[in-house]
Amino acid sequence: EVQLVQSGAEVKKPGESLKISCKGSGYSFINYWIGWVRQMPGKGLEWMGIIYPGDSDTRYSPSFQGQVTISADKSTRTAYLQWSSLKASDTAIYYCARRDRESDAFDIWGQGTMVTVSS
Amino acid sequence: DIQMTQSPSSLSASVGDRVTITCRASQTINTYLNWYQQKPGKAPKLLIYAASSLQSGVPSRFSGGGSATDFTLTISSLQPEDFATYYCQQSYNTPITFGQGTRLEIK
Repeated sequence: EVQLVQSGAEVKKPGESLKISCKGSGYSFINYWIGWVRQMPGKGLEWMGIIYPGDSDTRYSPSFQGQVTISADKSTRTAYLQWSSLKASDTAIYYCARRDRESDAFDIWGQGTMVTVSS
Repeated sequence: DIQMTQSPSSLSASVGDRVTITCRASQTINTYLNWYQQKPGKAPKLLIYAASSLQSGVPSRFSGGGSATDFTLTISSLQPEDFATYYCQQSYNTPITFGQGTRLEIK
């Protein structure tokens, strides 16, 4: 079964760092782009960026450039989203999703990771 | 950035109704348009890709159309499990952008 499994919910304080993960299985991990999508409480979907694990080519949305870092580890088939200094406004659900090579659509989604940033 | 605008933002309908949601792009995106369904507490699910192609496993009551800047998602006969929020998304270029969503509620 093709799936993406994300790490569990996190509760952090402002200023703390965080790295969440997304592990792929059931397909050739290095040959598909993996994107990250934010959903703030009660709001819509926002695309943050995307990475090609095969060569770590990474693209960011201008809204998130410099705010987060996207990376991938081919050996463990895992993509990552990290923050160096969290803000309360980073409170959201974060989804990873696989971009299909033919359709360019996000065809497989992780279950989401809830990140809560509160003092 | 390409702006995606959906209408309506919310919609009330009954089981068995035919409903259409529209999505407009701020510039031409050919048919690089995808539709997703999201239910509360769940990840989005791909319904339609390339404007009109039905994703495997999705019921045939869902259909998509359009090209260039104007697109539609139609549900031919609403079922109870279809009440959810629907998003369009352009994959023409980066940054990838989503519409603001259309919440489909039971009348």
